Amino acid sequence: GAGVSQSPSNKVTEKGKDVELRCDPISGHTALYWYRQSLGQGLEFLIYFQGNSAPDKSGLPSDRFSAERTGGSVSTLTIQRTQQEDSAVYLCASSLWMGGPEAFFGQGTRLTVV
Amino acid sequence: SQQGEEDPQALSIQEGENATMNCSYKTSINNLQWYRQNSGRGLVHLILIRSNEREKHSGRLRVTLDTSKKSSSLLITASRAADTASYFCATDALQGAQKLVFGQGTRLTINP
Repeated sequence: GAGVSQSPSNKVTEKGKDVELRCDPISGHTALYWYRQSLGQGLEFLIYFQGNSAPDKSGLPSDRFSAERTGGSVSTLTIQRTQQEDSAVYLCASSLWMGGPEAFFGQGTRLTVV
Repeated sequence: SQQGEEDPQALSIQEGENATMNCSYKTSINNLQWYRQNSGRGLVHLILIRSNEREKHSGRLRVTLDTSKKSSSLLITASRAADTASYFCATDALQGAQKLVFGQGTRLTINP
């Protein structure tokens, strides 16, 4: 596609429910990142995928968070048993390779846990 | 931690003035990038400067990099109301994991 696509753009869920957030990166980009941004804050790194290498999961805040990338393309971030503190904008980005030359961001998914 | 820190956290200036934002980081890097974010959604890449470069220009943007001080600055000249946004620096480490790590951002407001 022309850019990074994320869905849904907004998601309201009840506390305790599971949610899945989807990211379609730019075709041919081998690196894919997930970040979380709380209101007025910076970007918190969650996880990245680079080609067929094992993903770097060092930023995932708890074992309720997981992500996969199928076929080196689409990625899904899953949050199980959502909590109110999970409310944030979840941003996905892709780049040709890890660290460069630039990352292209989707418009994010705004998750609200009520 | 590799994470960058932007300074100031917020900046408000009059249209036409120059805006300067600073970024500091902790580890040796390959590249440093600046991004802009409008309305809390997707970020847009502005400029990349490599670790062996000291200054780079793109239109009204000027970026400097001082690897000895582990710092960078972004200068926006002749600011416009449309420049109102949050600006973030991002680095990828020279060694180890080369993930992009972002700072906390500077919120820039241009007053007409």
